[in-house]
Amino acid sequence: GNSVTQMEGPVTLSEEAFLTINCTYTATGYPSLFWYVQYPGEGLQLLLKATKADDKGSNKGFEATYRKETTSFHLEKGSVQVSDSAVYFCALSAYNTDKLIFGTGTRLQVFP
Amino acid sequence: ETGVTQSPTHLIKTRGQQVTLRCSSQSGHNTVSWYQQALGQGPQFIFQYYREEENGRGNFPPRFSGLQFPNYSSELNVNALELDDSALYLCASSLSPDQETQYFGPGTRLLVL
Repeated sequence: GNSVTQMEGPVTLSEEAFLTINCTYTATGYPSLFWYVQYPGEGLQLLLKATKADDKGSNKGFEATYRKETTSFHLEKGSVQVSDSAVYFCALSAYNTDKLIFGTGTRLQVFP
Repeated sequence: ETGVTQSPTHLIKTRGQQVTLRCSSQSGHNTVSWYQQALGQGPQFIFQYYREEENGRGNFPPRFSGLQFPNYSSELNVNALELDDSALYLCASSLSPDQETQYFGPGTRLLVL
């Protein structure tokens, strides 16, 4: 079946450090891939998405590239801020459906 | 444009009771999905409603049921509550079932004692 695997957290970084959060997926066909962010006490917010191979999603300085050959969608940011501290979820939706399958989430903690 | 809203924000119930959670979808969205997020886990798909009909269901027992109303708002009902039902319940709306972008509400946190 379809599934998403994320690196375990927490990821602890100093402000302005480079961020990578790994995400790999298993899916039949060609899923769409998403990163959602959850700030403390809040619901999920869509951060970025990519709908086909080699697409790059980007938003607020975050980027992720849909890599079909490695079935990956790693999240990156060149310089993190304290305000980026949150839990990040990688997710997929199978072709022609919007049912989301999530990874377990990765907590990011950024210190000044 | 009003986003997705959910009520109540928090709820405490005891084992065996029944609970109803409510969701108002984003303006113009006719599809509502419900997810359960246990502590420290990713959200799990419960079911989706489209034009007042169930349109897909995850691996949840029948005591989890739902409704969608003509204005596209939705309810999630859980009967015979169990301790493991304690979780954050998230509602998400989208323009249609095949639209990939879902917009989430802030969730209802349910504690079952």
